[in-house]
Amino acid sequence: DVKVTQSSRYLVKRTGEKVFLECVQDMDHENMFWYRQDPGLGLRLIYFSYDVKMKEKGDIPEGYSVSREKKERFSLILESASTNQTSMYLCASSLLTYEQYFGPGTRLTVT
Amino acid sequence: GENVEQHPSTLSVQEGDSAVIKCTYSDSASNYFPWYKQELGKGPQLIIDIRSNVGEKKDQRIAVTLNKTAKHFSLHITETQPEDSAVYFCAASIESGGGADGLTFGKGTHLIIQP
Repeated sequence: DVKVTQSSRYLVKRTGEKVFLECVQDMDHENMFWYRQDPGLGLRLIYFSYDVKMKEKGDIPEGYSVSREKKERFSLILESASTNQTSMYLCASSLLTYEQYFGPGTRLTVT
Repeated sequence: GENVEQHPSTLSVQEGDSAVIKCTYSDSASNYFPWYKQELGKGPQLIIDIRSNVGEKKDQRIAVTLNKTAKHFSLHITETQPEDSAVYFCAASIESGGGADGLTFGKGTHLIIQP
């Protein structure tokens, strides 16, 4: 079974803090993705990566950056957290096909 | 970029009845259309997908239909059961060689199965 794990299920941070969200997959997938999920807006793509050290902007990259130093790990970074970044963050991975496997999500609250 | 519209936002059906969720997409180049089910407290899980070279695909009680001309696709669940209660998302993408592009999702449908 494919397993995608995210470092925290719940996270509370203060405005202006630097925040790291970690995602690890155990299936040697090339592609990894970060989405945010907000009520009434569905899932929106923030960044994705198709190889180590490679990254591509998604639909809403502003305020975020990513890091992929190892194939199995993809990190989402909020350089200076703001209240409008309070959301559910979902990581996903896929092989060469388009079937994406999602982690359980991290619910981030910025106060 | 691609835009995916999904309707309805909430759907309540009696147990045993059928449920239909509809999506439209804007980019005629899109050729891959998955459906995800998200249960409370979990990440979305792929339940069925369809590629543009077929018009219909079935897997037990669930089926997906695709109309490329009209740019819409639908999820059909028959003989609904309580465990079908969840949020369902449609998505669209252009499938090229590497599978790297992200999916564009609809806003989701909250399906409620009434006992």
